[in-house]
Amino acid sequence: GENVEQHPSTLSVQEGDSAVIKCTYSDSASNYFPWYKQELGKGPQLIIDIRSNVGEKKDQRIAVTLNKTAKHFSLHITETQPEDSAVYFCAASPPNAGGTSYGKLTFGQGTILTVHP
Amino acid sequence: KAGVTQTPRYLIKTRGQQVTLSCSPISGHRSVSWYQQTPGQGLQFLFEYFSETQRNKGNFPGRFSGRQFSNSRSEMNVSTLELGDSALYLCASSLVGGRLVTEAFFGQGTRLTVV
Repeated sequence: GENVEQHPSTLSVQEGDSAVIKCTYSDSASNYFPWYKQELGKGPQLIIDIRSNVGEKKDQRIAVTLNKTAKHFSLHITETQPEDSAVYFCAASPPNAGGTSYGKLTFGQGTILTVHP
Repeated sequence: KAGVTQTPRYLIKTRGQQVTLSCSPISGHRSVSWYQQTPGQGLQFLFEYFSETQRNKGNFPGRFSGRQFSNSRSEMNVSTLELGDSALYLCASSLVGGRLVTEAFFGQGTRLTVV
């Protein structure tokens, strides 16, 4: 089955710096890659996603890049702020034998991002 | 638009008991997925329902089951609880789900503690 590796497990930056989180996946058939932010006591919040037919996507200070050949994708956060501090998860949507994912996301282990004022 | 609602938020059960958790998806969303989140295993997929049918299942024992009602609300049940079932159980709803993957939005989860 699909396996998603996420690095680093912890990341500490100063306010205003950039943060980059990287993920690799194993199933070349995966076609959807969302990123989630989870704050303490809350459920994961979708912050950005990318599909396999796109190489890069931006939304204000957040961007995601996808390299299908190398099977890795990355989250880039620029001009970090203290409120960006949270746990970030990457995920991949692997299709089943029938070619559909039917709701299944395989998650990375998470990155604890701390932004120091 | 209301988000995904999960009830209850917190639950304490004894080993051997059973538990039922509830999830109300975003209005108009027909796909509901369930995940278990633990510090050791992270987020793991349990199962997905669409139009009252289970379409996909993760690698969990048969003690874990679910169902979906005609209004898309879903419940999951865990029978014969074990200490290792202590976790945050998350529900996610999607507009459709399937070959064209649509965004999944999570609820706040139900924190289950088994003692």
